[in-house]
Amino acid sequence: QKEVEQDPGPLSVPEGAIVSLNCTYSNSAFQYFMWYRQYSRKGPELLMYTYSSGNKEDGRFTAQVDKSSKYISLFIRDSQPSDSATYLCAMKSLQGGSEKLVFGKGTKLTVNP
Amino acid sequence: IAGITQAPTSQILAAGRRMTLRCTQDMRHNAMYWYRQDLGLGLRLIHYSNTAGTTGKGEVPDGYSVSRANTDDFPLTLASAVPSQTSVYFCASSSTGTNNEQFFGPGTRLTVL
Repeated sequence: QKEVEQDPGPLSVPEGAIVSLNCTYSNSAFQYFMWYRQYSRKGPELLMYTYSSGNKEDGRFTAQVDKSSKYISLFIRDSQPSDSATYLCAMKSLQGGSEKLVFGKGTKLTVNP
Repeated sequence: IAGITQAPTSQILAAGRRMTLRCTQDMRHNAMYWYRQDLGLGLRLIHYSNTAGTTGKGEVPDGYSVSRANTDDFPLTLASAVPSQTSVYFCASSSTGTNNEQFFGPGTRLTVL
């Protein structure tokens, strides 16, 4: 089993839809959870960052972490064509002082106008 | 320079040739990373450096070497390129600490024939 599992999609939704993106993980030591957004032919950029369990909201984006289920989600409300990108989850522990991230494979999202 | 730069943007290389991918950051980040991104496999860590003068192996280090002579530069060298090293390579950097976002460069598209 991979440390981080993410459905690669592709996911296609109409403009204005609510989008749900998810990752599961197996390493219970993960404490820091991130979502990166990657536009075509660009480098990933950080979208959301959460620590431990709970919700975090930033505009149209909400990140949820459920450590008991080892499951994280990113919700996008009122999705826009500009949200079309690949979304990667990432997580890390601080065991051994490591700064390394473990990434999911990414979910490609297309929002159709 | 603002952020992370990578060079070249793209390269076609004959198998067996030596190639160095360059990465420079101007954010004075301690930690730097090299990833490769392949369709269906996501981002995989090749090598990393937590501080100038130190390096470590990631998930897929074979066939690659790195050096970290100073804070700003983190070159990745393919000593003898093989077709399986065809990929998009991303350099990233971060400060050290718990809330340390990784900033990514624009990537280098490498094709080994």
